[in-house]
Amino acid sequence: EVQLVESGGGLVQPGGSLRLSCAASGFTFDDYAMHWVRQAPGKGLEWVSVISWNGGNINYADSVKGRFTISRDNAKNFLYLQMDSLRAEDTAFYYCAKGRTYYDILHWGQGTLVTVSS
Amino acid sequence: QSVLTQPPSASGTPGQRVTISCSGGSSNIGSHSVYWYQQLPGTAPKLLIYRSDQRPSGVPDRFSGSKSGTSASLAISGLRSEDEADYYCAAWDDSLSGNVFGTGTQVTVL
Repeated sequence: EVQLVESGGGLVQPGGSLRLSCAASGFTFDDYAMHWVRQAPGKGLEWVSVISWNGGNINYADSVKGRFTISRDNAKNFLYLQMDSLRAEDTAFYYCAKGRTYYDILHWGQGTLVTVSS
Repeated sequence: QSVLTQPPSASGTPGQRVTISCSGGSSNIGSHSVYWYQQLPGTAPKLLIYRSDQRPSGVPDRFSGSKSGTSASLAISGLRSEDEADYYCAAWDDSLSGNVFGTGTQVTVL
């Protein structure tokens, strides 16, 4: 059974940084692309970033490009999201997600809440 | 803002059929498969339909998906109280080089 467990969320001041982690299990991690998707409280889903199985291909939403960095450690079965220069509008639940290919999302974690506020 | 457009709400009585539309463009739905997700209150999204019309194991056959051109739809037949949730469509977008989600539809069982 696919399991994705996010951690690292919390309260951070505007302009600050935070690093999210996602522990993956139940599948061969280095066979699949991985995504981050976020959802502001009471709002819809917003795709954030995707990384290919070996990290060779990466894409970001325009809203986070230049501020967020996605990475993965295939030896440890972990996905990461380094978030810098955080803004109030980055406040959201952040979900780690697994696809079948680079272009789709099939499985979701339970999410971790990031709050950007002074 | 979302690239895929859905109606904000849909409703029906138990047993009825409800259909949710998802309108996109040539760079997303017109070129790629559509995915549908169900999000129950306070929980993470869950895959409902993949590759536009395929159901994962465990998803009741009351749920069905279809795609035509640059639009897609999700149908829920035999509506049940446990179907009250938010529903989102999604597809890869070649112009944005990323996934795009629909605006979301809240389904209410009257």
